[in-house]
Amino acid sequence: NAGVTQTPKFRILKIGQSMTLQCTQDMNHNYMYWYRQDPGMGLKLIYYSVGAGITDKGEVPNGYNVSRSTTEDFPLRLELAAPSQTSVYFCASTLGQGARTGELFFGEGSRLTVL
Amino acid sequence: DAKTTQPTSMDCAEGRAANLPCNHSTISGNEYVYWYRQIHSQGPQYIIHGLKNNETNEMASLIITEDRKSSTLILPHATLRDTAVYYCIVRDNDYKLSFGAGTTVTVRA
Repeated sequence: NAGVTQTPKFRILKIGQSMTLQCTQDMNHNYMYWYRQDPGMGLKLIYYSVGAGITDKGEVPNGYNVSRSTTEDFPLRLELAAPSQTSVYFCASTLGQGARTGELFFGEGSRLTVL
Repeated sequence: DAKTTQPTSMDCAEGRAANLPCNHSTISGNEYVYWYRQIHSQGPQYIIHGLKNNETNEMASLIITEDRKSSTLILPHATLRDTAVYYCIVRDNDYKLSFGAGTTVTVRA
């Protein structure tokens, strides 16, 4: 299993540009998450999904959109990039059964800079 | 949802046990405690979780107080590779896991 795969690993955007961060997992996990981490800070939840076709907002959803058309994929869309969105983005997934619901598997992160 | 409180940082000598405390005084009866660590800029890594009983795996031990208001993660023989940020988390009923600032653990030779 590859686990959770994120692409791209690095990206520089200009203000106002749009892009999609891709996330795919091959573990047949029901739950998927997007977090952002600013330098020296903890992770903040952007969006999450409990299954295909179901998404919900986290702590910091403004400026982002997500979709979950398949179990495997959970892309994160930035429509109008702003410098405040410069961050490291992590995708995570979990099977979502009982106590294992809190056992998240993370991707390696996507480092985004908006200039 | 329950919140957690952890010390900002702590040092540990290589080869010694590292005891990382966490307070979660508002935890509900059916909420689990999870521990993760993040090495440098990698994605967080799951370590262990528990509900009431003490737990042990190949990475660490988790001691939960009888009233469940606090817990301690124990790294039995810390190595330089254990230098990382450690997060103590309580999962809420909406399956959202919130990561605070965590404890920055520095293992010194």
